Amino acid sequence: EPEVTQTPSHQVTQMGQEVILRCVPISNHLYFYWYRQILGQKVEFLVSFYNNEISEKSEIFDDQFSVERPDGSNFTLKIRSTKLEDSAMYFCASSVLSTIYFGEGSWLTVV
Amino acid sequence: ILNVEQSPQSLHVQEGDSTNFTCSFPSSNFYALHWYRWETAKSPEALFVMTLNGDEKKKGRISATLNTKEGYSYLYIKGSQPEDSATYLCAFVNTGFQKLVFGTGTRLLVSP
Repeated sequence: EPEVTQTPSHQVTQMGQEVILRCVPISNHLYFYWYRQILGQKVEFLVSFYNNEISEKSEIFDDQFSVERPDGSNFTLKIRSTKLEDSAMYFCASSVLSTIYFGEGSWLTVV
Repeated sequence: ILNVEQSPQSLHVQEGDSTNFTCSFPSSNFYALHWYRWETAKSPEALFVMTLNGDEKKKGRISATLNTKEGYSYLYIKGSQPEDSATYLCAFVNTGFQKLVFGTGTRLLVSP
């Protein structure tokens, strides 16, 4: 079965450092997403991406965040200067119709 | 702001009990409702995608119903097993289809 893969599975970074989370969506999918879940809280939408541009982003997705699809297969989320409150599980997802497939997530711990 | 509510927040049942949860969502601009099963630190597993008012879907011991006019969906688990222990999330998609809006989830614990 096709799957969305994410790397790294876990990253610990110091506050203020840049972090890049990588995702390989399912190959024929057209829509790509990042979600996050802070421990104990609900899943939050960050951004959706279609046709090589952001189609929607939430209030959380401020100037510290950016997304890229640099080579037609990877889909990356960059956090420029991490804050403690960025510690969360980040999920990448992709879709082609009405079912979204999620990756296993990347745990980000900011210390 | 799209609000998706789930109840109860958590549920503890004994093996063999049947149980059900509720997901409430906006009744306007409805496109689809998803149910996911989520174990911590794993990716959510899609259970059902429901699109039509009155839809009923079944997967093994798990089934779901949908009422788009009043904005709710029920998820039923018949004869709960310990391996059913997980968080069950519903997610609403509006007609713009830009994103899923998740509920807060119902955490189910099934004791042997």
